[in-house]
Amino acid sequence: DAMVIQNPRYQVTQFGKPVTLSCSQTLNHNVMYWYQQKSSQAPKLLFHYYDKDFNNEADTPDNFQSRRPNTSFCFLDIRSPGLGDAAMYLCATSRDLGSQAEQYFGPGTRLTVT
Amino acid sequence: GQQLNQSPQSMFIQEGEDVSMNCTSSSIFNTWLWYKQDPGEGPVLLIALYKAGELTSNGRLTAQFGITRKDSFLNISASIPSDVGIYFCAGRTGANSKLTFGKGITLSVRP
Repeated sequence: DAMVIQNPRYQVTQFGKPVTLSCSQTLNHNVMYWYQQKSSQAPKLLFHYYDKDFNNEADTPDNFQSRRPNTSFCFLDIRSPGLGDAAMYLCATSRDLGSQAEQYFGPGTRLTVT
Repeated sequence: GQQLNQSPQSMFIQEGEDVSMNCTSSSIFNTWLWYKQDPGEGPVLLIALYKAGELTSNGRLTAQFGITRKDSFLNISASIPSDVGIYFCAGRTGANSKLTFGKGITLSVRP
């Protein structure tokens, strides 16, 4: 089945220690997104890639970076995690940016910062 | 910016009952999506709506794109325990616009 895969599902890192979360997709979609979701809140978009074009949301902290080496993979790098960065991180994909493009989410990575 | 309003925050129903949730906005949306999220998992797309007035079903779920393009509702019929979860509405105002999410409704189903 075509899908969005996130690894690991649970990640523990220390305060200030860089961490990378990964996402892969078999849907061959052009767009990949990273969202942050805190408890009892809606997902918050951090940034997205349309093919190789990177689009950062205005309020995404510089501490968050992303890489997309090819169509299938996208990484979220948190350079110096703070306690406030503990959250669920969701990767999503869509075929394109058209108004009818549906977004499909991966299962998420739960990040704990100690 | 665009906001999607979902209320109440929580709903409690008896197994077998029908339940309806709506999502409203002061802005016009071109696309409405309904997602369900289980604890510790990512949101799963339930239904996508693209045209004003459109009514779409997926099993026991039915969703409608409001005729004013400012609202949508999701109906679940004959609820079962596995319907428990958080239901998010999401919408897009046009091409190249990001997805706006409602705050979600937590549904509990009593056996």
